[in-house]
Amino acid sequence: RKEVEQDPGPFNVPEGATVAFNCTYSNSASQSFFWYRQDCRKEPKLLMSVYSSGNEDGRFTAQLNRASQYISLLIRDSKLSDSATYLCVVNGLGRAGNMLTFGGGTRLMVKP
Amino acid sequence: GAVVSQHPSRVICKSGTSVKIECRSLDFQATTMFWYRQFPKQSLMLMATSNEGSKATYEQGVEKDKFLINHASLTLSTLTVTSAHPEDSSFYICSARAEERFFANSYNEQFFGPGTRLTVL
Repeated sequence: RKEVEQDPGPFNVPEGATVAFNCTYSNSASQSFFWYRQDCRKEPKLLMSVYSSGNEDGRFTAQLNRASQYISLLIRDSKLSDSATYLCVVNGLGRAGNMLTFGGGTRLMVKP
Repeated sequence: GAVVSQHPSRVICKSGTSVKIECRSLDFQATTMFWYRQFPKQSLMLMATSNEGSKATYEQGVEKDKFLINHASLTLSTLTVTSAHPEDSSFYICSARAEERFFANSYNEQFFGPGTRLTVL
């Protein structure tokens, strides 16, 4: 079983739609959680951190359920520019201390 | 702030040659740098963690003698792919984690370089 699992998609949605991505992680000792965005052939960029209380940044809302080891990202009013791959990322302890473990990514395509 | 550069951005080489990739933190000092590899349509996989002045810690399955990492200063880490083979063709991305005094609210955040696309013929 992968440490961080995501539905690879693609999710094809029209502009203005609301879309939700889910992610599960296997290590219950994981300490912090993030959503990153990666455009084609580019490096990942931090979209937002995810907190237990849930947090919102503009059109983006992230939720964390530690009991279920489940993370979600909701995007409202999708824009064409939201088309990208969204990576669920978990920070935990690795061989050399804190390390990020990346999910396989969920691809979003927003169409006009 | 928090800019990480990588050089080269793209490299094509013949099988058997060695390729060096540089990762620099431009406006902060990085206590730790990470090297990732991403194959097409797959996610980033951590290869190794390097701390300035000490040996890198490699993830399981990553050959330390093939992927040489040197972290000689707080702003530079290098990855050398020795005797490259076509199966080493991949997107190599580094990231850097800042010392707390530089970004108090981002101590654990990793800042990613733009990546190096390696093609081995």
